Amino acid sequence: KAGVTQTPRYLIKTRGQQVTLSCSPISGHRSVSWYQQTPGQGLQFLFEYFSETQRNKGNFPGRFSGRQFSNSRSEMNVSTLELGDSALYLCASSSRDFISYEQYFGPGTRLTVT
Amino acid sequence: AQSVAQPEDQVNVAEGNPLTVKCTYSVSGNPYLFWYVQYPNRGLQFLLKYITGDNLVKGSYGFEAEFNKSQTSFHLKKPSALVSDSALYFCAVRVITGANNLFFGTGTRLTVIP
Repeated sequence: KAGVTQTPRYLIKTRGQQVTLSCSPISGHRSVSWYQQTPGQGLQFLFEYFSETQRNKGNFPGRFSGRQFSNSRSEMNVSTLELGDSALYLCASSSRDFISYEQYFGPGTRLTVT
Repeated sequence: AQSVAQPEDQVNVAEGNPLTVKCTYSVSGNPYLFWYVQYPNRGLQFLLKYITGDNLVKGSYGFEAEFNKSQTSFHLKKPSALVSDSALYFCAVRVITGANNLFFGTGTRLTVIP
């Protein structure tokens, strides 16, 4: 099976712009989670989608949003970018009952805000 | 509140020696515990998990971890370290009550010295 894919891999934006990141989960996986990784804050949970519904949301401002499509692909959007949004954004997918199932991570999208 | 602590930012070990990467957790319910490894410019790779049952869990690449409920620990171990094991290791916990996202530790950088 192909792994989790994320596009683009690298992105440079300026403050105030918005950005959309894409994630394609492993075939058959219905749960997709997003994480932000920074040197200062480490890995922080953004949100999780299951069957096109947002099930959980982390402690991030409303500028961060996401959605999931019927084919389980997911996008996350960040509006009004700030310098502090520079990070590696990781997507992870999990099959069926995600609670005890491990998550499989994509390679990430490196976002740089200037 | 859920939390994970990795008390060592850096662990150095000689090739061929046993290695231990420490993790302690604090949760309000039964924990599901995970170890992930991250290589440079890559996403996280799943190593092993503890859900229930035998306290000693075996995972990928010869790694194992021991769940100790009384000490609330889940240390990662390997009998003989390889140079290729050098990477960033993350411990994570998930509980089935409330938000079911992964809580990650801050990571431990393992360096295996030839």
